[in-house]
Amino acid sequence: QSALTQPASVSGSPGQSITISCTGTSSDVGGYNYVSWYQHHPGKAPKLMIYDVTNRPSGVSNRFSGSKSDNTASLTISGLQAEDEADYYCSSYTSSSTYAFGTGTKVTVL
Amino acid sequence: EVQLVESGGGVVQPGGSLRLSCAASGLTVSNSYMSWVRQAPGKGLEWVSIIYSGGSTYYADSVKGRFTISRDSSKNTLYLQMNSLRGEDTAVYSCARGGSRMDVWGQGTTVTVSS
Repeated sequence: QSALTQPASVSGSPGQSITISCTGTSSDVGGYNYVSWYQHHPGKAPKLMIYDVTNRPSGVSNRFSGSKSDNTASLTISGLQAEDEADYYCSSYTSSSTYAFGTGTKVTVL
Repeated sequence: EVQLVESGGGVVQPGGSLRLSCAASGLTVSNSYMSWVRQAPGKGLEWVSIIYSGGSTYYADSVKGRFTISRDSSKNTLYLQMNSLRGEDTAVYSCARGGSRMDVWGQGTTVTVSS
């Protein structure tokens, strides 16, 4: 399984919106609506932010939203806040019945 | 409270074996999809393995043939048997409920493969 491709870093000022991309292939991201996004603060357990491309678990702020077009999924964080500063990973089901994570994106709030 | 607690990590020589455990409370391991995920030092998350509620198991290519995922219903515990360990297996190993939707995670246990 190859890792999905994410930008290494994305930054924004408080209140701004940022978007993180997650590029795969037709054998993973493009082939299934099983893309999820995780927020990871170092030293803590990852937190599920989005599942099945667009769904938000209970308790996750509606400032987080997900979408997908062809082989690329995206996570948008609107109204950026200092607490959003973390690493973000996408994940997708694959045609091999396995899963793959993205390379990870460090979000910095300026 | 739903909780997963990993144990069994440690230092092992290359070629050695280790068995990780993931004790669950507030959820039933045998009725859930359960995954193992690892993070090597300075690296990103890597999916390792999954066991479905029906018992089917799948592995990342990097561990296939060396690692085995299993569960014990009586102990409500998930396991990862790791054999033929290599330096590149050094990582924090975490268990999680789910596959495409990992909504409960443990804090992880550290495995170091070194001579």
